[in-house]
Amino acid sequence: AQTVTQSQPEMSVQEAETVTLSCTYDTSENNYYLFWYKQPPSRQMILVIRQEAYKQQNATENRFSVNFQKAAKSFSLKISDSQLGDTAMYFCAFTSEIQGAQKLVFGQGTRLTINP
Amino acid sequence: EAQVTQNPRYLITVTGKKLTVTCSQNMNHEYMSWYRQDPGLGLRQIYYSMNVEVTDKGDVPEGYKVSRKEKRNFPLILESPSPNQTSLYFCASSLSGTVSTDTQYFGPGTRLTVL
Repeated sequence: AQTVTQSQPEMSVQEAETVTLSCTYDTSENNYYLFWYKQPPSRQMILVIRQEAYKQQNATENRFSVNFQKAAKSFSLKISDSQLGDTAMYFCAFTSEIQGAQKLVFGQGTRLTINP
Repeated sequence: EAQVTQNPRYLITVTGKKLTVTCSQNMNHEYMSWYRQDPGLGLRQIYYSMNVEVTDKGDVPEGYKVSRKEKRNFPLILESPSPNQTSLYFCASSLSGTVSTDTQYFGPGTRLTVL
């Protein structure tokens, strides 16, 4: 079974700093997809970024970028120029074609606090 | 506005008292699913539905039931709630069942406490 591990339960940085959240996963499949979701205090789940495993280029969305290391099964999220509004719980998630891509497997989450 | 709604948003109940958490989407999505979120465990899928009258178990279906009689609604039923079902519940929907490529729309969550 696929598993997703986020080893940092909590992180805290100063506003405008860069922060990197870690995520590792375990799968024997070759074709899969990885995601980072943001959950602010409002509890709404917001898709931050998506990466397809067959694409070598790392995905970027404005201040958010990933470092996808397929061989190491690592998928970290970098937030540049962090803002107070980035304060949230961040979840790494995985899905694959073989399991019908019908569910997301989530990590435990990392609670990120941006301090003024 | 495209959205997934859940009701109630908060619920405190007692062990054994049947309850239903409703989920409705207005986007004509075929796929709907339920997740529960627990500290240190992230979100885990309970049930999902690929279309009307088609439902299947996720990773943690024990103690839950679902139905999909209409495309827009996917209620989560707890026939006899127990304290270990105290959790934050999310409903999600997408156009098709391919969560790898279809944007997942999540509801606002339902905080359930079972005493």
